[in-house]
This record gives sequence, structure tokens and C-alpha cells, in this order.
Amino acid sequence: DIQMTQSPSSLSASVGDRVTITCRASQTISSYVNWYQQKPGKAPNLLIYGTSNLQSGVPSRFSGSGSGTDFTLTISSLQREDFATYYCQQSYRTFGQGTKVEIK
Amino acid sequence: EVQLVETGGGLVQPGGSLRLSCAASEFTFKTYAMNWVRQAPGKGLEWVSYISSSSSTIYYADSVKGRFTISRDNAKNSLYLQMNSLRDEDTAVYSCVAVAGSRSVYWGQGALVTVSS
Repeated sequence: DIQMTQSPSSLSASVGDRVTITCRASQTISSYVNWYQQKPGKAPNLLIYGTSNLQSGVPSRFSGSGSGTDFTLTISSLQREDFATYYCQQSYRTFGQGTKVEIK
Repeated sequence: EVQLVETGGGLVQPGGSLRLSCAASEFTFKTYAMNWVRQAPGKGLEWVSYISSSSSTIYYADSVKGRFTISRDNAKNSLYLQMNSLRDEDTAVYSCVAVAGSRSVYWGQGALVTVSS
């Protein structure tokens, strides 16, 4: 199985900050990388699919990029409701370990 | 409103078996591939198994291969996970997930499986 290594595992940031989360695949993969947001006690919510496509209804401050083995989720201006845990996923399979975004 | 409702969770001893079911409604179940995804208490998401819309393609994570079996019944809008030879490390909330293309679009709230003596 392809492994997805996500970093950092946690970060502290302030409202308005630009936040970047990285996911590295153990081998070159196609552009089928998805990003999810999960809040405590809730099911994950799809943010980005196919590396860079914004899911309908998701604010435009979320964006994704990358190719080959390195993929990135960027939140351009962190809002209070964005404090959560974020996961990358290779296609419909392996997830990264998660990144918890906390309030500084 | 799309619904995915998992049932069949509970407490089981190590080495035991359990069968999870997932009932789907308000979307065209037979056109979606499905996943089982689990989350151990306080831990991250772990993909468990995938089944295509027609059941022709099935995949398992290495951690469950040979012990778990995924299946579906499109006539009943239902997904199943037969879990055998359960281990302590299988303790988790198990969620069924509808997959469109390569993306997980609909998630159930999950069923808790606890493996403990």
C-alpha cells in the first residue's frame, strides 16, 4: 500500500494566518489526492478533491496543489471555524496521519 | 437527505467475529463504490476496505486482509463488513462511506466495535 506522510502533526495559528499542510506519498501517484476536515464527534467533510478541485460549498480560502509525491493544502486566511483536524487521502484509500490546527 | 446508518457494532472478545451493516438511503446506492473507514479512539482515519458499485473490484488494507470481508446488496441498498479473528487493535468506530470517482462524498456516523476480553 502507498503510505501518505502528513506534516506537521499539529500546529498553532491565529485567525487570519496563512496555513499550509503537506502530504508526501511513498511513491509517485496520480493527482487523486483529497483533503478532508474533521471536527470532534463529526464525520469528515470533503474540502479538496483531485489535488486542486474545490468541493462545492467549501470556502475559497481553501486550496490544494501538488504533483508526483508532494501535495499541499493551504488555508489563505484562517477563520475561527477552521480549527479542526485535516487529513489527506490518496484517492479512496490511504489517509495521512492528520494535522490538528489549534488556536494560538 | 442522504443517510448512511451503520449497525452491528458492539463488544467482542479477541478472536471473535462481528458483522457490520450499513443502510443507505436518499441516493442511488447502486451507482456508488463504497468504503469502510475506521477511527480508533483519539486516533486518525484508517481506510479498511473498498468495493466497487458492481462488487467486481474489492480491496483491503493490509491490516485486515484475510480477516475481513466486504460485500454489498444493491437490491437492499446495503453494505456489509464481516470481521473475523478480531484483535485488540481493531477497536474503532467503523464508518461506511460512499465514493464518487476517487472522492469520499457521503459518510455515516459510524458503529463502535470494541475488542476486549
